Amino acid sequence: QVQLQESGPGLVKPSQTLSLTCTVSGDSIGSDSYYWNWIRQPAGKGLEWIGRIYPSGSTNYNPSLKSRVTISIDTSKNQFSLKLRSVTAADTAVYYCARVPDYTSSGYVDVWGKGTPVTISS
Amino acid sequence: DIQLTQSPSSLSASVGDRVTVTCRASQSINNYLNWYQQRPGKAPQFLLFAASSLRSGVPSRFRGSGSGTDFTLTINNLQPEDFATYYCQQTYSTPITFGQGTRLEIK
Repeated sequence: QVQLQESGPGLVKPSQTLSLTCTVSGDSIGSDSYYWNWIRQPAGKGLEWIGRIYPSGSTNYNPSLKSRVTISIDTSKNQFSLKLRSVTAADTAVYYCARVPDYTSSGYVDVWGKGTPVTISS
Repeated sequence: DIQLTQSPSSLSASVGDRVTVTCRASQSINNYLNWYQQRPGKAPQFLLFAASSLRSGVPSRFRGSGSGTDFTLTINNLQPEDFATYYCQQTYSTPITFGQGTRLEIK
């Protein structure tokens, strides 16, 4: 059974860089059958797609965050990571890592991490 | 960006009722529309894909329909575990976007 687990600091100071890692178990992150996403959700609000990475390392980002975001993948550790630079209070949210099957064009998230809350505060 | 507008934002219903949630896209997205259920404090769970295809294991009381810009999620014979927040998601083009959510509460 595939599981995704987010990890990283729960508190980040304004203007600093938020760094999170998603560890995948039960599946190879290098498989061409899936690609890997970050999605966030501010408290009491809706879901925002941050971006995705393919096993090849190819990425797509939300234009609203593109200038501050980097998503990377480490197939040797079965992990992918998120870096969000120059954070502000508006970046406070629960951050989810998520898997999307690439063998269907529907693009649905079939496996989610449990989510990790990140607060931006001094 | 493609905007998804869900209605209503919240609704109250009773066990056994039938409810319908609407998701309208700002442009045609063919059938690239998925639905998720989220319970408080939990990650969303995928229910339907391609507007009307049920994920394996999801009860048949959940039904999706629509194409183009207008989509609906209907839940028949509401069960206690169905009271949650529902989100639509479009995957027609990036950035991937979600509706703002519909909170389904027990009357």
